[in-house]
Amino acid sequence: DIQMTQSPSSLSASVGDRVTITCRASQSIRNYLNWYQQKSGKAPKLLMFAASSLQSGVPSRFSGSGSGTDFTLTINSLQPEDFATYYCQQTYSAPRTFGQGTRVEIK
Amino acid sequence: QVQLQQWGAGLLKPSETLSLTCAVYGGSFRGYSWSWIRQPPGKGLEWIGEINHSGITNYTPSLKSRVTISVDISKNQFSLKLNSVTAADTAVYYCAGGSGRYDSLSWWGQGTLLTVSS
Repeated sequence: DIQMTQSPSSLSASVGDRVTITCRASQSIRNYLNWYQQKSGKAPKLLMFAASSLQSGVPSRFSGSGSGTDFTLTINSLQPEDFATYYCQQTYSAPRTFGQGTRVEIK
Repeated sequence: QVQLQQWGAGLLKPSETLSLTCAVYGGSFRGYSWSWIRQPPGKGLEWIGEINHSGITNYTPSLKSRVTISVDISKNQFSLKLNSVTAADTAVYYCAGGSGRYDSLSWWGQGTLLTVSS
């Protein structure tokens, strides 16, 4: 199985900050990497697919990059509605594993 | 706009079988991949398995011996069965689906909380 490791596990940030979350795969997954946002008590929401493609309707302050084993999700100018938990997922091979999540909290 | 609606029993005793169904509304059922994901209370997401547009299933190894995912194309539905549940299977279970080369999960059900308790 491909292991996905996110860092940090949690972070505190202020509205307007730039936030970067890292996801590392245990082997190359090319660009088969998706990012999801989950708010408390809700189903996850797809933000990015193919590492850097923005899902329709997602604000442009979200961006993704990376290929191979190392990926990042960046949120420019953090907004109040962005406080949530973020997960990466690889879909290069089954089982399509998730990272453990990164909780973004209000400072 | 595709919407997923899921249902099934929320309280089971140990050794019983979990059965969940997810209906797909507002879009084509064929040609997409359909997945189940779970989330234990306070923890992260765990991918359970999927069935793709060719009817091929994939399961996570730790659950493979107890899980079956199936589809009923005539009803635009897919289902999850998990045998011999234990307290460790207590979680919110989500159905999800998506398309495209990267199998990203664009659509999600509302989630069903399963509690396993004697």
